[in-house]
Amino acid sequence: DQQVKQNSPSLSVQEGRISILNCDYTNSMFDYFLWYKKYPAEGPTFLISISSIKDKNEDGRFTVFLNKSAKHLSLHIVPSQPGDSAVYFCAASAYNTDKLIFGTGTRLQVFP
Amino acid sequence: EAGVAQSPRYKIIEKRQSVAFWCNPISGHATLYWYQQILGQGPKLLIQFQNNGVVDDSQLPKDRFSAERLKGVDSTLKIQPAKLEDSAVYLCASSLVTGANNEQFFGPGTRLTVL
Repeated sequence: DQQVKQNSPSLSVQEGRISILNCDYTNSMFDYFLWYKKYPAEGPTFLISISSIKDKNEDGRFTVFLNKSAKHLSLHIVPSQPGDSAVYFCAASAYNTDKLIFGTGTRLQVFP
Repeated sequence: EAGVAQSPRYKIIEKRQSVAFWCNPISGHATLYWYQQILGQGPKLLIQFQNNGVVDDSQLPKDRFSAERLKGVDSTLKIQPAKLEDSAVYLCASSLVTGANNEQFFGPGTRLTVL
């Protein structure tokens, strides 16, 4: 039972354009959501997070939007850069726990 | 600040053999996690330690997997005997404390191939 789903395995975007990565979840107990970025042969690195009390969190070029009623979140990268090419994982945790449930990842490729 | 260290980076074994992975978390981090990432999937938590005690091992296949963190610092994860389906990247992560919304820092992982 996949509680966190990333239905797009890959995404290709031109440099300078917006990248939008999507994530859906099924567990209504999740109240904290994170995005991790992973380069080949490296471990995932934390990118940005959002609490369920918010619907938007912004950090530089990265913005995460949360739609609780739809159980959906998205990561926007504007403008996209070639260095953003990586696998992006959506993760979620439930109230009062730090156990992360990860999605299957989306491979983003930013081309010149 | 040094990151999470893991060794070896790669390991190839035959099925039914044993293998062990080592992790050194970030200095001062009380909480340590082992994840299994099978190709095409996201990381899945196997076990979580708070200092040298186990917080969650509900998804650890205890008939073949074991882990320890004897002095609350380094940790080892062992598989004995290995099966083909254990082929995966094993990721170690650490965080300063246990609790909601604490950032987890990941090591580079150990890629295990079971033939």
